[in-house]
Amino acid sequence: QSALTQPASVSGSPGQSITLSCTGTSNDVGSYDLVSWYQHHPGKAPKLIIYEVSKWPSGVSNRFSGSKSGNTASLTISGLRTEDEADYYCCSYAGSGNQLVFGGGTKVTVL
Amino acid sequence: QVRLVESGGGVVQPGRSLRLSCIASGFTFNSYGMHWVRQAPGKGLEWVAAISYDGSDKDYADSVKGRFTISRDNSIYRLSLQMNNLGPEDTAVYYCGKAVYYYDTRQVDYWGQGTLVTVSS
Repeated sequence: QSALTQPASVSGSPGQSITLSCTGTSNDVGSYDLVSWYQHHPGKAPKLIIYEVSKWPSGVSNRFSGSKSGNTASLTISGLRTEDEADYYCCSYAGSGNQLVFGGGTKVTVL
Repeated sequence: QVRLVESGGGVVQPGRSLRLSCIASGFTFNSYGMHWVRQAPGKGLEWVAAISYDGSDKDYADSVKGRFTISRDNSIYRLSLQMNNLGPEDTAVYYCGKAVYYYDTRQVDYWGQGTLVTVSS
């Protein structure tokens, strides 16, 4: 149950695009298209923004997009806005029973 | 709309027990797997436990195995987490979450606002 690896922080200017990475192993990210991404503002409930690697939940902006290559999943935020400042967590099915595994989170700063 | 409301958090001494509850509404609770995750102060999200839609299948993180028990009462739309022998490392905000698909647990779409557990003497 080792955590997925995410960069601690990523920053960008308004309007720019940034990409967050999430690296797992062949047992989790690499084996299943069951990677989710959550946006988390402190004190609030984490919000699902991408599931099954690249699908959008209803009501989520298509400025958020997901992809996967091998053991690494990625989240791209296009047209960066100040309200995108938050912590972002990736999550994958861990490949066993009902277990999930999270990344350590990436703090996104809009300069 | 889906709503998950956690309760039961508080300050507890090391070695003691605490029971968290999560009341669900806005969806057919008995058709979805459920999860608990936590976030320690200054740390990221950590998966804690999961339970299948009918309660027949349960899984735990190694860090809580043997101390925590997840359960559910589908008749009253309640998810629970019994936490025994608590230690300072269990201090965190605990969130309950609902699976994306019927009869599945492998992804979560909704989380509650969380309840804070502080383990301190």
